[in-house]
Amino acid sequence: NAGVTQTPKFQVLKTGQSMTLQCAQDMNHNSMYWYRQDPGMGLRLIYYSASEGTTDKGEVPNGYNVSRLNKREFSLRLESAAPSQTSVYFCASIALVNTEAFFGQGTRLTVV
Amino acid sequence: AQSVTQPDIHITVSEGASLELRCNYSYGATPYLFWYVQSPGQGLQLLLKYFSGDTLVQGIKGFEAEFKRSQSSFNLRKPSVHWSDAAEYFCAVGAWTDKLIFGTGTRLQVFP
Repeated sequence: NAGVTQTPKFQVLKTGQSMTLQCAQDMNHNSMYWYRQDPGMGLRLIYYSASEGTTDKGEVPNGYNVSRLNKREFSLRLESAAPSQTSVYFCASIALVNTEAFFGQGTRLTVV
Repeated sequence: AQSVTQPDIHITVSEGASLELRCNYSYGATPYLFWYVQSPGQGLQLLLKYFSGDTLVQGIKGFEAEFKRSQSSFNLRKPSVHWSDAAEYFCAVGAWTDKLIFGTGTRLQVFP
């Protein structure tokens, strides 16, 4: 049982480079989320998708774009990476808002 | 808008002592409330949740939490802490909009 799979696990980018973080879930969940985790800041919501075909901004969407490709996949794109985007990124999926969120193992991104 | 406050950034307790981690939320309606735990280098695991009914909820690993509407609080408790409980704990609030927001976390350190 894979659950939520994130790729890559680690990435180093130069300022101005672009990249896409991939997330896939095999639990047939409706909602998917992207968070970033920084020391002392907790998990901050970047974007979420309540259902296939919809996406909404979270608390810190600037500098990011997302695509809900299908029910399984939700990708996060950094068009022009900045050092402030150095963080650990977590993808999560949820069946319903009052049920458990399942998290991927995270992507550690460093922008130099 | 929904928000979550965890006033304690870092708590240190002795093994065997009792524990209470504080969580206050802001949301216009009855929220869905969660506590998650994150061990170092890991993703998040659900400890317990509340969305209706009995205001005292039991979770895994001997944890419990009490929902107090009048105080907008959902504090996590454990009667006797074990060294393996050392981790970071996150309170989260969900809403009918399917947005799941986390607090800044409380790091628990346990001394033998």
